[in-house]
Amino acid sequence: EDQVTQSPEALRLQEGESSSLNCSYTVSGLRGLFWYRQDPGKGPEFLFTLYSAGEEKEKERLKATLTKKESFLHITAPKPEDSATYLCAVQASGRQGAQKLVFGQGTRLTINP
Amino acid sequence: GAGVSQSPSNKVTEKGKDVELRCDPISGHTALYWYRQSLGQGLEFLIYFQGNSAPDKSGLPSDRFSAERTGGSVSTLTIQRTQQEDSAVYLCASSLSVGAGQPQHFGDGTRLSIL
Repeated sequence: EDQVTQSPEALRLQEGESSSLNCSYTVSGLRGLFWYRQDPGKGPEFLFTLYSAGEEKEKERLKATLTKKESFLHITAPKPEDSATYLCAVQASGRQGAQKLVFGQGTRLTINP
Repeated sequence: GAGVSQSPSNKVTEKGKDVELRCDPISGHTALYWYRQSLGQGLEFLIYFQGNSAPDKSGLPSDRFSAERTGGSVSTLTIQRTQQEDSAVYLCASSLSVGAGQPQHFGDGTRLSIL
């Protein structure tokens, strides 16, 4: 069964304090690993897709990396507006369930000014 | 609008009643997905549509749940004889196609509360 585990569950940082969020996954065959940001009362907002080990993607203060077993979301010099829940999801290969996303529980990130 | 639109945004109903939730995907997106987000459960896949057909209904929790999509656009998720455990946020997403790694773009959901 495809599984995604995110850690930590919650993280508090001071503004400017860089850190990383972890997403560990087990999947029969990876079609894509996705990172989303979710604000309270809103739907998840797409950030990145990663396809293969060694790939990296960047957007503003965020950089996502991928290995064969895990992905990291690095946040550099965060600002209070980066506070949100960050969700990781995988899309697996195979006839059954090849389109659905399997999500982790998320990391709730708080950036204090 | 530019994004996925869901209605109603909030729904409160009594146990045993039927409810219909609506999703209007991004124009031109052929694939449409329904997920459920409960406290402590994370996002769970329910069903996905490619055009008007539903190749994967594996996530529907019981036969009280059904969904349809007409004209390759709007979709409705129907829950019959609602139970308290159906309380959750129901999220709809759409993607341009079903190719590998195609991002799914989400609406803001319908918050369903069963009294």
